[in-house]
Amino acid sequence: DIVLTQSPATLSLSPGERATLSCRASQSVSINLAWYQQKRGQAPRLLIYEAFNRATGLPARFSGSGSGTDFTLTISSLEPEDFAVYYCQQRYNWPYTFGQGTKLEI
Amino acid sequence: EVQLLESGGGLVQPGGSLRLSCAASGFSFSNYAMSWVRQAPGKGPELVSGISASGGSASYAESVKGRFTISRDNSKDTLYLQMNNLRAEDTAVYYCAKNPYSGSYYWFDPWGQGTLVTVSS
Repeated sequence: DIVLTQSPATLSLSPGERATLSCRASQSVSINLAWYQQKRGQAPRLLIYEAFNRATGLPARFSGSGSGTDFTLTISSLEPEDFAVYYCQQRYNWPYTFGQGTKLEI
Repeated sequence: EVQLLESGGGLVQPGGSLRLSCAASGFSFSNYAMSWVRQAPGKGPELVSGISASGGSASYAESVKGRFTISRDNSKDTLYLQMNNLRAEDTAVYYCAKNPYSGSYYWFDPWGQGTLVTVSS
């Protein structure tokens, strides 16, 4: 199975700052990577698919980049509602796998 | 608005069975593949199973193969997950999720609110 390693495990920032979250795959997944946001007590929400495509309605402050084994989710200027846990997910090989998450905290 | 509403979770003893349901609305259910994704407490999500729009094709994680069966009733806009021979490690919140195409499970959008399955004696 493809292992996705997210870093850092926890990221402490303030509103208005820039957040950079990393996801590294154990083998190339091309651009077949998605990002999700999960707030406490809620289901995950799709943010980005195929590495850089924003989901419908997603604010422009969220962007995804990368290909192969290294991917980044960037939030250009943090809003209070952005503090949550973020997961990456590959769909290159079955079984599709998720990372262990990055907690973005104030 | 797309809505997915899971039901059927609960407390079950090891070796027991449960059947989860997911009622879909707000989209043409029969045109989309669907999946079950679970999340153990404090862990990342894990894809359990996916089924094509027609129901003719399904895939499973190795950890549940032979114990879980995914199915759908397109006349009722409902997705199911039959879970047999449950183990403690199956304890998780189970989410149903819509996939973007009819025959593949590439990503998950949206997800239901989840139903908790607890396997314990």
